[in-house]
Amino acid sequence: QKEVEQDPGPLSVPEGAIVSLNCTYSNSAFQYFMWYRQYSRKGPELLMYTYSSGNKEDGRFTAQVDKSSKYISLFIRDSQPSDSATYLCAMSAPLGLRGGADGLTFGKGTHLIIQP
Amino acid sequence: ETGVTQTPRHLVMGMTNKKSLKCEQHLGHNAMYWYKQSAKKPLELMFVYSLEERVENNSVPSRFSPECPNSSHLFLHLHTLQPEDSALYLCASSQEGSSTRTDTQYFGPGTRLTVL
Repeated sequence: QKEVEQDPGPLSVPEGAIVSLNCTYSNSAFQYFMWYRQYSRKGPELLMYTYSSGNKEDGRFTAQVDKSSKYISLFIRDSQPSDSATYLCAMSAPLGLRGGADGLTFGKGTHLIIQP
Repeated sequence: ETGVTQTPRHLVMGMTNKKSLKCEQHLGHNAMYWYKQSAKKPLELMFVYSLEERVENNSVPSRFSPECPNSSHLFLHLHTLQPEDSALYLCASSQEGSSTRTDTQYFGPGTRLTVL
């Protein structure tokens, strides 16, 4: 079983729809959960960052974490064509360094297309 | 320059060449990372430098050699690469420390490497 499972899509929805993106994971050591957005030929851009179970909202984006089910979600409300990108979930676990740096484990990414 | 910059943005090299990728972060961070992003695969952590400590992914071949002369600069030295090493190589940085730990990593735009 892969550490992080994410459906690669593509997921195509009409403009204005609510988008739901999900990841499941198997490693209980993961402590922090992130969503990155990556446009074609660009590096990943951090969208949302959560630590505990529950919801976190930022504008049109809501991140949800359920640690008991090892399941995280990203919801996008009022989706726009500019939201078309690949969305990567990422989870961190300590590497055991003095400075506390974590290693990120990523899902494969979901390719999202918002149709005008 | 702001954020995380990487040079070159594109690189084509033969299997017998030696080249280096460069990354520079302008965020005042103290940890830097190299990731590999191949088609249809999750981002893979290659190396981490944090407060002068280094962590390596044991699956990374020795033909990849990192160097971190200071907290702002990171290099990836390449020699005798194979065609399967063709990928997008991403650099990231973060701020780590007991009072400032964020676990959020900020990525550069990447170097698209093609090995012939």
